[in-house]
Amino acid sequence: NAGVTQTPKFRILKIGQSMTLQCAQDMNHNYMYWYRQDPGMGLKLIYYSVGAGITDKGEVPNGYNVSRSTTEDFPLRLELAAPSQTSVYFCASRRTGEISYEQYFGPGTRLTVT
Amino acid sequence: DAKTTQPPSMDCAEGRAANLPCNHSTISGNEYVYWYRQIHSQGPQYIIHGLKNNETNEMASLIITEDRKSSTLILPHATLRDTAVYYCIVRAMDSNYQLIWGAGTKLIIKP
Repeated sequence: NAGVTQTPKFRILKIGQSMTLQCAQDMNHNYMYWYRQDPGMGLKLIYYSVGAGITDKGEVPNGYNVSRSTTEDFPLRLELAAPSQTSVYFCASRRTGEISYEQYFGPGTRLTVT
Repeated sequence: DAKTTQPPSMDCAEGRAANLPCNHSTISGNEYVYWYRQIHSQGPQYIIHGLKNNETNEMASLIITEDRKSSTLILPHATLRDTAVYYCIVRAMDSNYQLIWGAGTKLIIKP
């Protein structure tokens, strides 16, 4: 299994541009999450999904959109990028009903908006 | 969700046990203690979790005080690869499992 994969690894955007961060998992996990992490801080939840077709906002959803058309993929869309969205973005997934509730994380996408 | 307090940084000698404390004095009866770590900007990695009993797995041990207001993560024989930021999170085991992350403890293992 590849686990959780994210593309791209790095990206520089100009203010006002848009982009989609890709996230895929091959573990057949129903739950998927998008986090952002600013320097020296913990992770903040942007959006999450409990299954295909179902998404919900997390702590910091403004400026982002998500979709979940398949179990495997959970892309994060940035519209009208702003310098405040400069961050490292992590995608994670977990099984349904897993007693440990362990979340599996991807390697991250480092985004700079200038 | 209960708030956690961790020291911002700690040092430990290689080969010794690393003991990372976490205070969670407002923890509720249905809230678990989870530990994750993040090695140098990689994605976080799950370590262990517990409710009220002490727990041990291949990575670490988790000691929870009887009143559940604090806990300690123990790495029994720390190696240089254990240098990371360690996060203590308290959360009820509900269906959505949204974790609230603090700043964690930066653990530096010294040779």
